[in-house]
Amino acid sequence: AQRVTQPEKLLSVFKGAPVELKCNYSYSGSPELFWYVQYSRQRLQLLLRHISRESIKGFTADLNKGETSFHLKKPFAQEEDSAMYYCALKGGNKLVFGAGTILRVKS
Amino acid sequence: KAGVTQTPRYLIKTRGQQVTLSCSPISGHRSVSWYQQTPGQGLQFLFEYFSETQRNKGNFPGRFSGRQFSNSRSEMNVSTLELGDSALYLCASSLGAQGAGNIQYFGAGTRLSVL
Repeated sequence: AQRVTQPEKLLSVFKGAPVELKCNYSYSGSPELFWYVQYSRQRLQLLLRHISRESIKGFTADLNKGETSFHLKKPFAQEEDSAMYYCALKGGNKLVFGAGTILRVKS
Repeated sequence: KAGVTQTPRYLIKTRGQQVTLSCSPISGHRSVSWYQQTPGQGLQFLFEYFSETQRNKGNFPGRFSGRQFSNSRSEMNVSTLELGDSALYLCASSLGAQGAGNIQYFGAGTRLSVL
């Protein structure tokens, strides 16, 4: 069975500080991993996916198959990064989400 | 290009009633997935339709059903509503192909309140 774990419900950091949102997964096959973000009063939207290996809004995420992790990182947090972040795993035809982490960036 | 459109945006029903929610995918997208979002359970997968066929199903009771039409529009039906069905129901569409087609684009959701 697929499972995504985001251990932190809330992560609060100061503006300019580094950010790391943790995501661990469990899946027997070859997973596709995503980070989705939901800003206040906006719809859920894709932030990045592991196969693209790109940086979006300064965020990066590396798939570590040995540790079964896909942590989201940004070196310097900005206030506009405050949002709910979901890690998601696509195995087969099903997209499974983690419980989400609220990122709060304080000025 | 218009995004994923869900109607209605808000619904209030009473226990025992049934409800139908609608989702219009992005033009050209053939896959539509439905999710239930609640504060306690987060985002949970309900089912996915592709070319009018249910391709995958989550762990929800048979009261939750769906269908997809030839124009890829989808409807979700919940019968015999329970208080616990109160949630935000999200629809997402994707091209349905592998690779870049796997990116799901979400609608704004339908907020269902069961009294």
